[in-house]
This record gives sequence, structure tokens and C-alpha cells, in this order.
Amino acid sequence: DSGVTQTPKHLITATGQRVTLRCSPRSGDLSVYWYQQSLDQGLQFLIQYYNGEERAKGNILERFSAQQFPDLHSELNLSSLELGDSALYFCASSVVGRRGSGYNEQFFGPGTRLTVL
Amino acid sequence: DQQVKQNSPSLSVQEGRISILNCDYTNSMFDYFLWYKKYPAEGPTFLISISSIKDKNEDGRFTVFLNKSAKHLSLHIVPSQPGDSAVYFCAATTNFGNEKLTFGTGTRLTIIP
Repeated sequence: DSGVTQTPKHLITATGQRVTLRCSPRSGDLSVYWYQQSLDQGLQFLIQYYNGEERAKGNILERFSAQQFPDLHSELNLSSLELGDSALYFCASSVVGRRGSGYNEQFFGPGTRLTVL
Repeated sequence: DQQVKQNSPSLSVQEGRISILNCDYTNSMFDYFLWYKKYPAEGPTFLISISSIKDKNEDGRFTVFLNKSAKHLSLHIVPSQPGDSAVYFCAATTNFGNEKLTFGTGTRLTIIP
């Protein structure tokens, strides 16, 4: 158990709908990262938050958005869903997300499997 | 553009022998490399890492080798055990590890008893 929790575990929805994925980081971790893993693909970085503020953005679609709340949990919002959005969505957390401060391991949650029909 | 590549989708190894998983990268800005292990229905778990200032890092049965000139790294597992059967992801990052991770597509390792 990494200490990172993600809900729900599975989500089945229809095209055009909107869903919210939730992540609670490990206690004390300030950084939250979101990754998407499509079939037979590696994990693709979507976005990072550090202590409530957006820190870095990857290949995140405009239909997707995220936020980190004062209690440090994070939500990933996916809207106008398409079939191609079906994937595993992982959240990871680490202690800090500051440049040059040394390596800080990212701990991954179990993921949310999204199926768009 | 796949900046981190794992060209072998799968690998089968006899129990007790050496498992060698390979990874290539193209971005010369990467300065920290990691291997993650993933079981079904679980998130990736960190296994071992190496900084670009080193060429080898060992942790028990696991050793990672880095060849910067070839932009290649490998993970050696000796001896291989049935519990090592999993998908292994190579990942890379810049600025000593506090940036996003760029992952390869993974290699499914199967240890044959």
C-alpha cells in the first residue's frame, strides 16, 4: 500500500459525459501528479500540482482540468468524453516538487479505470 | 515522439537465471532514471534509480546500468524469482528527479518456475 488513494476504482460512462476522479496523496506529500495510461502505452504525464498551485503541464487535453484543494487532495475532471479517453488514470504524490532539491520518489495510487462507451 | 523506449514488450526467464530488461532514451536533458514495477490492478512501485553522474547502482538482487553515450540503461535481476513476474517500466526525468516522469511502454517479465 503506497498510501495514495484514488476513487473510484472503476468508472463506466458514455461519450459526451463528464466525470471527476479523486486522489488523496500520502500524508505530508505536497505534490500531486496525474498520469494517463492507455492500452499498451506507457504512463503519460498530464499535470502536476504543488501545494495547491499548478506546477507543470504535460499533454493534457483542454477538455481535462485538475485542481488541488487546501487539504491537498486533488481532482481530475474529464469532460465531453470520447471513446479514446478510456484508460487507466494514475495519481502519484511526492514530498516536494521543487527543482534541484534532490530526488523525491513518486508514490503511485492504484489507479482509476475509466471506460467510455 | 517516444523519448523513452522499451523495445521488448515481453521477456520470459527461467527461475534462478538473470533477467535483463533494456531501455533507450533520446532526450539528452534527462539526468535521472528509474525503474518501476507494476502488478495487475496496482499502481507502479519504485524499484531502483540511478543518477546520470553514475554508471551503476545496486540494490540487493537489482542492478541498474547506465550508458550515457549510448543513451541506454538496463535493469539486471539476479537471481530471478517467481515474484518478479510483473510489468517493468523505465522512466526518466530532468533536474534531479522533481519533474514529471517520462515512461517507456513497459516490458512484461515472466519468470518460469
